[in-house]
Amino acid sequence: AQTVTQSQPEMSVQEAETVTLSCTYDTSESDYYLFWYKQPPSRQMILVIRQEAYKQQNATENRFSVNFQKAAKSFSLKISDSQLGDAAMYFCAYRSSGTYKYIFGTGTRLKVLA
Amino acid sequence: GAGVSQSPRYKVAKRGQDVALRCDPISGHVSLFWYQQALGQGPEFLTYFQNEAQLDKSGLPSDRFFAERPEGSVSTLKIQRTQQEDSAVYLCASSIKAGGHQETQYFGPGTRLLVL
Repeated sequence: AQTVTQSQPEMSVQEAETVTLSCTYDTSESDYYLFWYKQPPSRQMILVIRQEAYKQQNATENRFSVNFQKAAKSFSLKISDSQLGDAAMYFCAYRSSGTYKYIFGTGTRLKVLA
Repeated sequence: GAGVSQSPRYKVAKRGQDVALRCDPISGHVSLFWYQQALGQGPEFLTYFQNEAQLDKSGLPSDRFFAERPEGSVSTLKIQRTQQEDSAVYLCASSIKAGGHQETQYFGPGTRLLVL
């Protein structure tokens, strides 16, 4: 069975600095998708960034980028120029191609210090 | 509507009661997902609908949980004979596409269920 592990329950970053959130996963599949979701306090979960496993190039979305290491089954999220609005729970998620089931990690709470 | 809505937002039930949780997806969205999120945990997949067809219900924890989407739009998650371990936030998400690499889930605000 596939699993997603986020080993950092909580991280802190100074405003304007860079922070990296870690995620590892386990799967025997070769075709799958990886995601980072943001869940602000008392607000809806939103998609931050996605990565297709067949793409070698790391995905980027403005200040958000990933480091996708397929062989190591690692998928970290880098947030550059951190802003106060980045404070939230961040969840790493996996979905195998051809299925509809998303598997989420336990989350990392990010605090942004002014 | 502008986004996914869920009702009620909060529900307190006595153990043994039946509850029904509603999800209104974004209009025209083909896919609809239900998740259970326990306190301090990530969402856990419960079930998936493509239009009115329930294509995956592998995450439903017991036969007390039942979901439907009869007309391919609004969905209801029903929990019969609620138990304390059912206490959680129930999230609904919808997507305009069905699978594929472009699928983007849009989440609702969730229903917080407390079973006493």
